[in-house]
Amino acid sequence: EAGVAQSPRYKIIEKRQSVAFWCNPISGHATLYWYQQILGQGPKLLIQFQNNGVVDDSQLPKDRFSAERLKGVDSTLKIQPAKLEDSAVYLCASSSLNLYEQYFGPGTRLTVT
Amino acid sequence: GNSVTQMEGPVTLSEEAFLTINCTYTATGYPSLFWYVQYPGEGLQLLLKATKADDKGSNKGFEATYRKETTSFHLEKGSVQVSDSAVYFCALQTGANNLFFGTGTRLTVIP
Repeated sequence: EAGVAQSPRYKIIEKRQSVAFWCNPISGHATLYWYQQILGQGPKLLIQFQNNGVVDDSQLPKDRFSAERLKGVDSTLKIQPAKLEDSAVYLCASSSLNLYEQYFGPGTRLTVT
Repeated sequence: GNSVTQMEGPVTLSEEAFLTINCTYTATGYPSLFWYVQYPGEGLQLLLKATKADDKGSNKGFEATYRKETTSFHLEKGSVQVSDSAVYFCALQTGANNLFFGTGTRLTVIP
């Protein structure tokens, strides 16, 4: 069974630029999560989807972050414009409807200069 | 609200030493508890879990017991190896909701 795929693995941008991350969850997993992990901290949820609907986006900075999961499969997270404090690893995870265990992708390490 | 307080690191041990990483939690309802591990250069992996009080999760020689009376889920291993060097995260989840993570504890095992 293929795991959660994410791309790119690394990205370096200047502040005020935009960036997008892509995630493909495990096949058949209805729930998809985006987490932000700042260096030295635990991951924090940005947004949770169930199929193509948003379940929780209360911690998403909506003035600059957006995410979509149009067909209920893969998802894109965008930051526009980026700030220095957005430097972090962005983790995607997925889970099935019946079993809540989350499986994580390798993450995208973003550096904003 | 939900939160996890985890023993601060870093922790450095000699090979074959006993490991304990403390974790306590605050939660609404009855959470499931997890330990995740992040090896250098890799993503988060589930190490073990417990879904109700008094359950013991175990994997790869690591164990943790869900203690409702002390709201704790301490991670233990009797004899650590160099290959156990990683960052360990305690986490909780209520229902189908997101995970709440502790800040992580970096373990370094020296030969």
